Amino acid sequence: EIVLTQSPGTLSLSPGERATLSCRPSQTISTYHLAWYQQKPGQPPRLLIFGSSTRLAGIPDRFSGSGSGTDFTLTISRLEPEDFAVYYCQQYDQSPLYTFGQGTKLEIK
Amino acid sequence: QVQLVQSGAEVKKPGASVKVSCKASGYTFTNFPMFWVRQAPGQRLEWMGSINTANGDTQYSQKFQDRITITRDTSANTLYIELSSLRSEDSGVYFCASRPGYNIGPFDYWGQGTPVTVSS
Repeated sequence: EIVLTQSPGTLSLSPGERATLSCRPSQTISTYHLAWYQQKPGQPPRLLIFGSSTRLAGIPDRFSGSGSGTDFTLTISRLEPEDFAVYYCQQYDQSPLYTFGQGTKLEIK
Repeated sequence: QVQLVQSGAEVKKPGASVKVSCKASGYTFTNFPMFWVRQAPGQRLEWMGSINTANGDTQYSQKFQDRITITRDTSANTLYIELSSLRSEDSGVYFCASRPGYNIGPFDYWGQGTPVTVSS
């Protein structure tokens, strides 16, 4: 099973700042098989990015994904108040054995 | 638009079974595979199993292999999960999810979640 490790566990930033979230798979995965989700309290996860860097339709361009192999990053260029949430990465390289990271909580400083 | 609407909260005793439903609308049901994902308190999202809604083929996480059954009713566009021999660690929110097509990909659409509480 591929284990995804996200860091940091919690990130405290202010609106307007840049957020950088990390996701490290325990083994190399295809660049095309990594996704990022946003989850707010009481809501299901929302798919933001798939294929490590492709934004879903309607996702603002302040969200960007990058990386390869065992090192992936989600960047939010200028934080808006609605961006404060928990973010999860997911690998589907071993489909159907999907796994998720433990999440990064992005909180207002 | 694609909608996945799940059944309501459940409270069960240890050792019992629970069955949660997920009704799909806004697309051709058999064109999208479906998945169940669990979120226990303070834990990461956990894939439990998948179903090919066209032919009923299922794949289960080894963790739940002995206790899980995923089925679908194509006439009702509804997905089900049944988990047996419940224990307190099974408490959490259960989500159904789906994606367009049967190629490899993430989970584009999610139900609202069904809280399940296992307590004596």
